[in-house]
Amino acid sequence: DAKTTQPTSMDCAEGRAANLPCNHSTISGNEYVYWYRQIHSQGPQYIIHGLKNNETNEMASLIITEDRKSSTLILPHATLRDTAVYYCIVRVRDNYGQNFVFGPGTRLSVLP
Amino acid sequence: DAMVIQNPRYQVTQFGKPVTLSCSQTLNHNVMYWYQQKSSQAPKLLFHYYDKDFNNEADTPDNFQSRRPNTSFCFLDIRSPGLGDAAMYLCATSRTGDAYEQYFGPGTRLTVT
Repeated sequence: DAKTTQPTSMDCAEGRAANLPCNHSTISGNEYVYWYRQIHSQGPQYIIHGLKNNETNEMASLIITEDRKSSTLILPHATLRDTAVYYCIVRVRDNYGQNFVFGPGTRLSVLP
Repeated sequence: DAMVIQNPRYQVTQFGKPVTLSCSQTLNHNVMYWYQQKSSQAPKLLFHYYDKDFNNEADTPDNFQSRRPNTSFCFLDIRSPGLGDAAMYLCATSRTGDAYEQYFGPGTRLTVT
C-alpha cells in the first residue's frame, strides 16, 4: 500500500506558485520523501527529495514539517508545461536501495 | 542525450503470443527496474535487478519474466500476454545508496489484440 496521501487534483494559474501537499504520517526515521512528476505519455521525472531539511533546486522547493508527517512541493512560478501528475513517494528501503511505491498522485492543471 | 532507452515505443501483440520489451541505459547504473502502468493508474513495480540479482515483487504474475545479460540492457518477457496486460511498461535505473533517484525511460505502450 502507498504510504502517502495527496489531493486528487489541483488547479494553478500560470505564473503563480503551485503548492502541492502530501501526508506521510507513518514515515520512518530513515525514509526519504521523493517527488516525481509524469507528463502525459512520458516516463516519470525526478523533481526533488529530502529527509528532514527543506530542499531547493532549479525545479522546485520541498518543505518538510518538523515532525516529518507531511510535506509540500512548491513550484514557484508555474507554467503550462508543469501540467502533470505529481507523485509524492516515501521510499521503502530494502537491502539494495530503493523500491518506490507510487500512490495515485495529484493531477496539477496549470491554467492560462 | 538519451540515458534510458526503451524499444519499441509502441508494441502490438496478439493474445497469448510471447513478447519482449527492451531497455538499455548509458548511465552505468547497477540497479534496473521494470514498472507496469495501466491507464489512469500509478506505476507499479514488477521487479528489479541489483547488478545480476533478480528481485521479484510478491504480486508480480509468473507470466512476467526478466533478463539482464549485462549492465546496460534489461528485457521484460511476457510469456502469454492477456488483454489485462495491455499497459505502459516503464524501465528505470538508479545507483544504490540511500537517496539516489530513479531515471525513467519513455516507456513502451503494449497493446494486446
